[in-house]
Amino acid sequence: DADVTQTPRNRITKTGKRIMLECSQTKGHDRMYWYRQDPGLGLRLIYYSFDVKDINKGEISDGYSVSRQAQAKFSLSLESAIPNQTALYFCATSLAGVSHLFFGPGTRLTVL
Amino acid sequence: QKEVEQNSGPLSVPEGAIASLNCTYSDRGSQSFFWYRQYSGKSPELIMFIYSNGDKEDGRFTAQLNKASQYVSLLIRDSQPSDSATYLCAVVLITGGGNKLTFGTGTQLKVEL
Repeated sequence: DADVTQTPRNRITKTGKRIMLECSQTKGHDRMYWYRQDPGLGLRLIYYSFDVKDINKGEISDGYSVSRQAQAKFSLSLESAIPNQTALYFCATSLAGVSHLFFGPGTRLTVL
Repeated sequence: QKEVEQNSGPLSVPEGAIASLNCTYSDRGSQSFFWYRQYSGKSPELIMFIYSNGDKEDGRFTAQLNKASQYVSLLIRDSQPSDSATYLCAVVLITGGGNKLTFGTGTQLKVEL
């Protein structure tokens, strides 16, 4: 089945560490997204990419960076993790011209 | 005012009843509306979308859109315990920076035996 996968699924790290979350998809979608979800705050967009050469900031990009290595791969980096980046992170994909998203299983990140 | 607002709940309904979930949005120009279901610890999954005023039915689910009043609702008929989840409303807001899919914070639904 065409799918969206995320690695790792769970990660505990310490303040100041560099962390990379990876996302890959076999759906053939051009558009990829990174969201974080916090209790009471819902899903918030961090970065999105409409194709390999296109990277855009979302509403909460500070402290994060991304890389679109290929159509199927989109990684999220935390250069120096801090405790308020503790959250559930989702990668998502969509077809061009279509608004609804297909989500990966999520990565639960804890920064101590 | 939040761009997309939902009552956080929990909304408790007995098994077999109709569950009614509501969502309001701020951008009068919005055209596309989505409902996602999210089980605890899992990722959101799309269950309904609606673009036009009125009702759209899919099995036990009905989405209702009223653009004049800027609200969209989801009705779940014959509610089952397996419907217990958080329901996220998402709206494509027509902002200055282009179309943006914005999520509400979700309504938790509990279907009781």
